[in-house]
Amino acid sequence: DTEVTQTPKHLVMGMTNKKSLKCEQHMGHRAMYWYKQKAKKPPELMFVYSYEKLSINESVPSRFSPECPNSSLLNLHLHALQPEDSALYLCASSEATIRFYEQYFGPGTRLTVT
Amino acid sequence: AQSVTQLDSHVSVSEGTPVLLRCNYSSSYSPSLFWYVQHPNKGLQLLLKYTSAATLVKGINGFEAEFKKSETSFHLTKPSAHMSDAAEYFCVVTRGTGGFKTIFGAGTRLFVKA
Repeated sequence: DTEVTQTPKHLVMGMTNKKSLKCEQHMGHRAMYWYKQKAKKPPELMFVYSYEKLSINESVPSRFSPECPNSSLLNLHLHALQPEDSALYLCASSEATIRFYEQYFGPGTRLTVT
Repeated sequence: AQSVTQLDSHVSVSEGTPVLLRCNYSSSYSPSLFWYVQHPNKGLQLLLKYTSAATLVKGINGFEAEFKKSETSFHLTKPSAHMSDAAEYFCVVTRGTGGFKTIFGAGTRLFVKA
């Protein structure tokens, strides 16, 4: 199974809401990633988890809070978002954070902040 | 420092004609290079990767790319375009030395005319 799943597919939330995005993989990968992708732009790396520990935070605002409960699951908790946070949020995984391992991407969650 | 430049923001070809998507990179370390494809409102799918083995790399769906160190290029080609190839293509470089880093090119939109 080379699939990364993400739920929900679509999410609409108000600026005062709290919501969470979920990502799951069963490939035994030890690295997991969150990306943000705006329309007609490449994905921007937000967070990297390696062996369930946060290893990279690309200066993401604290209204985004990642969590890695176990090696198969990755969550992104959202609180007090702004309309400019509307985007496609992609999760990915790889065997490890070593340069020659490719990343497997999920289909994304389309987030709209109203 | 690492960077990736995709030389064309848009490429348009006729079905059955060759495809060339151009990518130049700069890297202070030995890089790994990848091409990913993204169909509308979908996640990214790996086409092929270079990790310092053979310089001519074959990927899925008839795509291939050649790593040319002297030209710092990693161009993607396909002998005969198919309508289903219409998508966004990203050239990506990763490094491990000096800290893990994934860098995306800006993307090239491929249009295929019937």
